[in-house]
Amino acid sequence: DIQMTQSPSSLSASLGDRVTITCRASHDIYNSLAWYQQKPGKAPNLLLYTTSRLESGVPSRFSGSASGTDYTLTISSLQAEDFATYYCQQYYSIPWTFGLGTKVELK
Amino acid sequence: QVQLVESGGGLVKPGGSLRLSCAASGFMFSDFYMSWIRQAPGKGLEWVSHISGSGDSIYYADSVKGRFTISRDNAKESVYLQMNSLRAEDTAVYYCAREFSGYQFGWGQGTLVTVSS
Repeated sequence: DIQMTQSPSSLSASLGDRVTITCRASHDIYNSLAWYQQKPGKAPNLLLYTTSRLESGVPSRFSGSASGTDYTLTISSLQAEDFATYYCQQYYSIPWTFGLGTKVELK
Repeated sequence: QVQLVESGGGLVKPGGSLRLSCAASGFMFSDFYMSWIRQAPGKGLEWVSHISGSGDSIYYADSVKGRFTISRDNAKESVYLQMNSLRAEDTAVYYCAREFSGYQFGWGQGTLVTVSS
């Protein structure tokens, strides 16, 4: 199975901050990487797929990139509605696997 | 718009069985893979199983293989998860999701399964 190591597990940030979350894949996943946002008590919501493609309706302050087996989610200017938990997911090889999540909290 | 509504969760004793259902609407159901993904209380996401649009391709996570069975009825636009030999570690919110190329776009609200004596 492909392991996704997500970091940090949590972070504190202020409104307007630039936030970066990283997932490292244990094997090459050839950009088959999605990011989800989950708010408490709610289902996850797709943000990006294929590393950097923005899902319809997702604000452009969210972006994704890759370098080797490291994948990054960036929020360019943190807004109040962005405080949530974020998960990466690889879909190159079954079983699909998720990172353990990054909780973004208000500093 | 896309709507997915899960049902069938509840409290069950270890070793028991439960059948989850997910009713879909707002898209061409038979064109899409459908997945079940679960989340234990306070934990992360775990992909459980998926089924192709025609039902002829099915995969399971090792943690549920041999105990869980996924199926679908395209006429009823529904996907199911039959869960047998349930264990305490199966306790989770179970989500159904529409899948495309492996990523999940469109999730239900989830149904809670609690396995406890």
